[in-house]
Amino acid sequence: DAKTTQPDSMESTEGETVHLPCSHATISGNEYIYWYRQVPLQGPEYVTHGLQQNTTNSMAFLAIASDRKSSTLILPHVSLRDAAVYHCILKRGGSAKLIFGEGTKLTVSS
Amino acid sequence: DTTVKQNPRYKLARVGKPVNLICSQTMNHDTMYWYQKKPNQAPKLLLFYYDKILNREADTFEKFQSSRPNNSFCSLYIGSAGLEYSAMYLCASSRVDTEVFFGKGTRLTVV
Repeated sequence: DAKTTQPDSMESTEGETVHLPCSHATISGNEYIYWYRQVPLQGPEYVTHGLQQNTTNSMAFLAIASDRKSSTLILPHVSLRDAAVYHCILKRGGSAKLIFGEGTKLTVSS
Repeated sequence: DTTVKQNPRYKLARVGKPVNLICSQTMNHDTMYWYQKKPNQAPKLLLFYYDKILNREADTFEKFQSSRPNNSFCSLYIGSAGLEYSAMYLCASSRVDTEVFFGKGTRLTVV
């Protein structure tokens, strides 16, 4: 599976809109872009996923570049509860395998 | 019920003794996973079952065993625990091409 590159950490303030970047220059046509987040002492939580089109749900907006070589997870109006490590993961369609990278540690201050 | 249940939440084991961790889900998911999570590290995939077929990662092949007696249950077995096995063990489940649901984990401490 292709690899992703994310910044190690990002800082934000409550109420801000946060843009978390992910680079996946060698993504294959059948690889989906998944985002999970994890806080200490809990299991990872699904945030969103997409293939080509931008997607939105109650948690976040996923913007996917037209060439699919990068994506951005947009968190509107972050709160302290959004502080977590955010993982951008590529997962092949039809495959069950889900491999985590190091992710971006998002810090939210009040 | 979209929860993955893991028992126990905390487990203390002695070096050299076996450890058995249990996981269950009632979502009729075809895939169940086990991950190992150590502090300040990403979750590491150990193995997963797709239906009755076990897939183990290459570097965990001989260290961890697993069984899935039915669709709902999956166990992770360590034959002889070492200090390096101290970690959080996460169970997860999914259907192919849908989101993966994670349990809250079992924190294993080996002494």
